[in-house]
Amino acid sequence: SQQGEEDPQALSIQEGENATMNCSYKTSINNLQWYRQNSGRGLVHLILIRSNEREKHSGRLRVTLDTSKKSSSLLITASRAADTASYFCATVSSGNTPLVFGKGTRLSVIA
Amino acid sequence: KAGVTQTPRYLIKTRGQQVTLSCSPISGHRSVSWYQQTPGQGLQFLFEYFSETQRNKGNFPGRFSGRQFSNSRSEMNVSTLELGDSALYLCASSPDRYQETQYFGPGTRLLVL
Repeated sequence: SQQGEEDPQALSIQEGENATMNCSYKTSINNLQWYRQNSGRGLVHLILIRSNEREKHSGRLRVTLDTSKKSSSLLITASRAADTASYFCATVSSGNTPLVFGKGTRLSVIA
Repeated sequence: KAGVTQTPRYLIKTRGQQVTLSCSPISGHRSVSWYQQTPGQGLQFLFEYFSETQRNKGNFPGRFSGRQFSNSRSEMNVSTLELGDSALYLCASSPDRYQETQYFGPGTRLLVL
């Protein structure tokens, strides 16, 4: 069953623009993670934010978490064509529970 | 370190057959999880193995099974294949149970005809 729901389902932007993807989830979490998937291949871990954190940065990525609204956002700044991929949020409810993924946002960055 | 490897990468089977997929985790990783990805259902957790024991199982029928060997390599088996089993099967490893970063392999794409 899906825990996270990403919004929008698809996003198309020009190179150099910023891309924002949102994720909403249903139950309390231990942490929330974002992954990238290129063309139906394996997933690559991007960033993890814990339930007691509000914001994290990693290079051009900025993630925010609002536990009161059960939502997170991923911002990719100055996007590049190579950022074209599907982006998934995944939640971990407690220490020994598996990742539960949303359905993803498909990002297209046009050069 | 070499990444997570999965074999085979592509597979075509017919309904009723069975299939075995293999996953070799990153050296030193003891936890292996399997996920099924389909356009309709998205990414769904199948099961997790740690120290050769299944520690958690997703909501899949008993036709889906797996095992882990002493070297942490894992296999999953699907018996009596159905058309709906066509999917990308992803394996992920981590040093310990549900460590924060899961390292995914490239996946095995299974087509059931």
